[in-house]
Amino acid sequence: ILNVEQSPQSLHVQEGDSTSFTCSFPSSNFYALHWYRWETAKSPEALFVMTLNGDEKKKGRISATLNTKEGYSYLYIKGSQPEDSATYLCAFRLDMGRRALTFGSGTRLQVQP
Amino acid sequence: DAGVTQSPTHLIKTRGQHVTLRCSPISGHKSVSWYQQVLGQGPQFIFQYYEKEERGRGNFPDRFSARQFPNYSSELNVNALLLGDSALYLCASSLGSSGGNQPQHFGDGTRLSIL
Repeated sequence: ILNVEQSPQSLHVQEGDSTSFTCSFPSSNFYALHWYRWETAKSPEALFVMTLNGDEKKKGRISATLNTKEGYSYLYIKGSQPEDSATYLCAFRLDMGRRALTFGSGTRLQVQP
Repeated sequence: DAGVTQSPTHLIKTRGQHVTLRCSPISGHKSVSWYQQVLGQGPQFIFQYYEKEERGRGNFPDRFSARQFPNYSSELNVNALLLGDSALYLCASSLGSSGGNQPQHFGDGTRLSIL
């Protein structure tokens, strides 16, 4: 059974704060790591797909890094805004076997104005 | 361009009944995946279809089945509904068959409640 762990489970920050959260996944047979943002009453939105060790991706104030050898990815948000409030999900896929994404339980971010 | 569309939005069923959920992918997307999401957990993979063939199946009982049509739309069927099947069912489409290195585009989901 694949285990994808996200921490923290929830996070409350003030507007303007920078924040980060972690996704841990099995370090063997890595294929890809996805990040999604899921706002309340909306559908999950893809942020990044990362496939190479050392990958760094950026989209506006959000960035992500990937370490496949130790099995973790960080998501960073610089200068958090209330509209960043959402649940951030990571998902992992092996390079063999079942063609499926295994999702973590998410980090719920609340940004206070 | 229309995103992934799912129907119905909400559904209430009783134990023992069956249900059919529908999904239309983004135009040009040939891969459709189904996920079940219960409160407090991430989406759990049920099925992936590509070009009308099943490409992956999650750890769900045989009461769950799916298919993909020539226009790439998909149905998820669940028979003999149990209380534990109450969840949000998400459909996602992507361009290719790899299922891993391309982003999934999700619909808004179908909220299924079993009484």
